[in-house]
Amino acid sequence: DQQVKQNSPSLSVQEGRISILNCDYTNSMFDYFLWYKKYPAEGPTFLISISSIKDKNEDGRFTVFLNKSAKHLSLHIVPSQPGDSAVYFCAASVDTGFQKLVFGTGTRLLVSP
Amino acid sequence: DAGITQSPRHKVTETGTPVTLRCHQTENHRYMYWYRQDPGHGLRLIHYSYGVKDTDKGEVSDGYSVSRSKTEDFLLTLESATSSQTSVYFCATQGTGKTEAFFGQGTRLTVV
Repeated sequence: DQQVKQNSPSLSVQEGRISILNCDYTNSMFDYFLWYKKYPAEGPTFLISISSIKDKNEDGRFTVFLNKSAKHLSLHIVPSQPGDSAVYFCAASVDTGFQKLVFGTGTRLLVSP
Repeated sequence: DAGITQSPRHKVTETGTPVTLRCHQTENHRYMYWYRQDPGHGLRLIHYSYGVKDTDKGEVSDGYSVSRSKTEDFLLTLESATSSQTSVYFCATQGTGKTEAFFGQGTRLTVV
C-alpha cells in the first residue's frame, strides 16, 4: 500500500515557466512533509518542508502548499531553470523530530531552455 | 550539509555471500537511517538508529541487519545476499532538533 503517491512520473516545462509537482498521501497521521531533489548518481538533497499546521511554505523560487483535507501537497518552482532538471521526491513523516520518512516514487522534471 | 561517506560506492557480489555496507558521518548526528531505492518504489526505509546500540526495523528489513557501535558509523549487513537485494542503498543522518535528514551519495549493489 503506497502511503505517499506521486502520480506523474515525469513533467516537462520550459525555462522561465512554472513547474508544479504533485503528491498525495493516505495516512492522516503524517505530520511533516518534505521535498527532496535528486540528481543521477547522487543522494537526495533536501529542498523544502512544511509542517501539518501550515498550508504554505516559501523559500526563494520554491513554494510548497499543503491541503490537509484533500491529503494533497504540491511543489511550485517559479521561474523554472534548466538546473532544476532532476527527480523530485515527496516524503512524509509522523514525527517532526525523528523522521522515518515514507517516500513517493518520484517525478522526473525536465526544464528545457 | 552533513559529512556522510558511504563505502563502497559500487559492489558486485554473488548470491549467498554476506555483504556489509558502511556509512560514516562526521556531524555527530544522533539519528541514522538506511534506505534502498528501487524503480517504482521510491526510497524505502530498511533500518534506523536513534543512538549508539539503539536500532530498529523499518519497512523492508527482512534479510538485513545493522549495527551502530559508535555515533559516527552505521553498518548495514546482508547476511546472505539475494538478487532481490540488488538496489541502490542510501544512508541518511539527522541531528537532534533538526527537521531534515541528509543523505549520502549512495552505494550501488548488484547481486549476481
